[in-house]
Formats: sequence, C-alpha cells, structure tokens
Amino acid sequence: GQNIDQPTEMTATEGAIVQINCTYQTSGFNGLFWYQQHAGEAPTFLSYNVLDGLEEKGRFSSFLSRSKGYSYLLLKELQMKDSASYLCAVRVNTGFQKLVFGTGTRLLVSP
Amino acid sequence: DSGVTQTPKHLITATGQRVTLRCSPRSGDLSVYWYQQSLDQGLQFLIQYYNGEERAKGNILERFSAQQFPDLHSELNLSSLELGDSALYFCASSIPTGGGSNEQFFGPGTRLTVL
Repeated sequence: GQNIDQPTEMTATEGAIVQINCTYQTSGFNGLFWYQQHAGEAPTFLSYNVLDGLEEKGRFSSFLSRSKGYSYLLLKELQMKDSASYLCAVRVNTGFQKLVFGTGTRLLVSP
Repeated sequence: DSGVTQTPKHLITATGQRVTLRCSPRSGDLSVYWYQQSLDQGLQFLIQYYNGEERAKGNILERFSAQQFPDLHSELNLSSLELGDSALYFCASSIPTGGGSNEQFFGPGTRLTVL
C-alpha cells in the first residue's frame, strides 16, 4: 500500500526557521509535492521534487532523498501568515498517475 | 485564485438525498480530479477524468459518480447521502503532459453538510 507520515502539529516563533518532515513508503514513486492549506481553503502548490536534493524557492525549500523515502519542507523567516497545514503528497504511477496525500502538519506561528 | 471554480460553495442537505457538485477547470487543463477531505483527515482521491474519459478511480463509493462534459467541466454526484459524507469536496485540474511537475491546481471547494 501507500503510506505517508508527517507530524500532526508543530509550533514555531515568528522569524524562526522550521523543518517539516515527511516519510513515505510507496510503490511507483514519481515525484513529491508540498502544498499549503489554510483552514477551510484550497491547497496551494509550494514545491515539487523528483530528483534527490534541495529545491529552493524564496523562503521555502524542499529536500528529497528517494533512497530513504524522506522529504522535508524548510520554512525560513516565519511570518504569522505561514500558520497553516502543510501537506506532503507523493505522485505514484501504478498504471495511472495519482497523488497520495499525507494527513498534513498543522503549523502554528506565534509572535 | 487558482482559476478552478466550484459551485456551490456550501451545501446543506438531509440523509438519503442526492446532490451534484460542479467544477470548471483552468482554461486549457484537460484533467479534472475530485478529492474528499473530512475533518482531521487528509485529502482522499476519488476520481480523475481526462478529456471527457474516466482515467483513474480512488476510494470512491458506489453511491458516488462523476462525469466530465465536452466543455471539460465536471460534476460529482453524491446519492443516498449519509452523515459521514459531510466533508469538503475539492476539484483540481492539471495539464497531464509527459514531463514536469504538472502540479494540480485546486478549486475553493464545496462544503457539504448532511443533517
């Protein structure tokens, strides 16, 4: 089966750096996505990794290690508006492509 | 704004009823995906359509069905509704080309409440 694990909740302080980890056990791996979702709103795309290494995009970076089934999302210079859920999703190809989502990590940024 | 639209935004109905949720993908996107998100649960993939044809099925109940029309908009039909069907239903679209991220763009969702 497909399994994706993320911490349920994390807290951090404004201006700090936080790392949200994601481990996965899937077959047919074909890329890993991070989405941000504010409560009651649509998920919005943050990053995509398909090869090992770090992808940097402004304050957000995402890392992937395919051999370890591991990814992390790094958020720098945290702002209050970064309080949201962060969803790790693995694209799997098992005859067709689909996204398998983790349950998300709720991040609370405090002043 | 992702460019994906969904109607209605909210829907309140009773058990046993049938409802239809509607989705219009981004201009140019051929693929439409439907997801269910219950309280404190992750996004569950339901079904995917590509250019009018069903492409993939996830954890979709037999009481649920969907279709994609020639103008590429899609409808998700939920029948014999149960209390447990109360959830946020998201539609997403993408261009499924061979390479690249082909990230999915999500609509604002329809919040369904079954009483």
